[in-house]
Amino acid sequence: DTGVSQDPRHKITKRGQNVTFRCDPISEHNRLYWYRQTLGQGPEFLTYFQNEAQLEKSRLLSDRFSAERPKGSFSTLEIQRTEQGDSAMYLCASSFYRGPDFNEQFFGPGTRLTVL
Amino acid sequence: RKEVEQDPGPFNVPEGATVAFNCTYSNSASQSFFWYRQDCRKEPKLLMSVYSSGNEDGRFTAQLNRASQYISLLIRDSKLSDSATYLCVVLNSGYSTLTFGKGTMLLVSP
Repeated sequence: DTGVSQDPRHKITKRGQNVTFRCDPISEHNRLYWYRQTLGQGPEFLTYFQNEAQLEKSRLLSDRFSAERPKGSFSTLEIQRTEQGDSAMYLCASSFYRGPDFNEQFFGPGTRLTVL
Repeated sequence: RKEVEQDPGPFNVPEGATVAFNCTYSNSASQSFFWYRQDCRKEPKLLMSVYSSGNEDGRFTAQLNRASQYISLLIRDSKLSDSATYLCVVLNSGYSTLTFGKGTMLLVSP
């Protein structure tokens, strides 16, 4: 399978714990995006990278959230001191940016986080 | 006003019916628009782009009305497999990030 992969697929944690998710984009895609989706809502943009550079962060991304893409390939999203409101599906997407026209974003299966 | 608004539904239709979804967006400077499909507990997948002139892909027709800032999706001859949530999506200025509506749920019954 050469699509976007995410690990783990499910994570249950207690409030206050730290969690880290991993995303492996489609090979050679230079852009990687993180979104969050809660029940009954569409995905909400969190942040994105072009290669290893983090180019934009949403105001939804509080100080407890940090994302990295150290070698321009896989990315990690860490949430520190988790809160119940962090419970959501965390979606990763990747695209090959060629220029200002739309470049389709391909989504991974997501990591479902439950904070107890 | 939310950036992208959709009727959440659900729309319950019989097989073979024609169904239409509308979506409105708030940013008049938005340039690119899309419909994504999301099956239950799955990731979103691009269904089709929406062009100013309107575009068709098989049973699916998408249209854009810039003056009224709304986008539509028409599905003809509905199939059971069309049951899903349809997300209206706008590409933000800078051509980098997507803003999604809440989605419209479609349920096609035999």
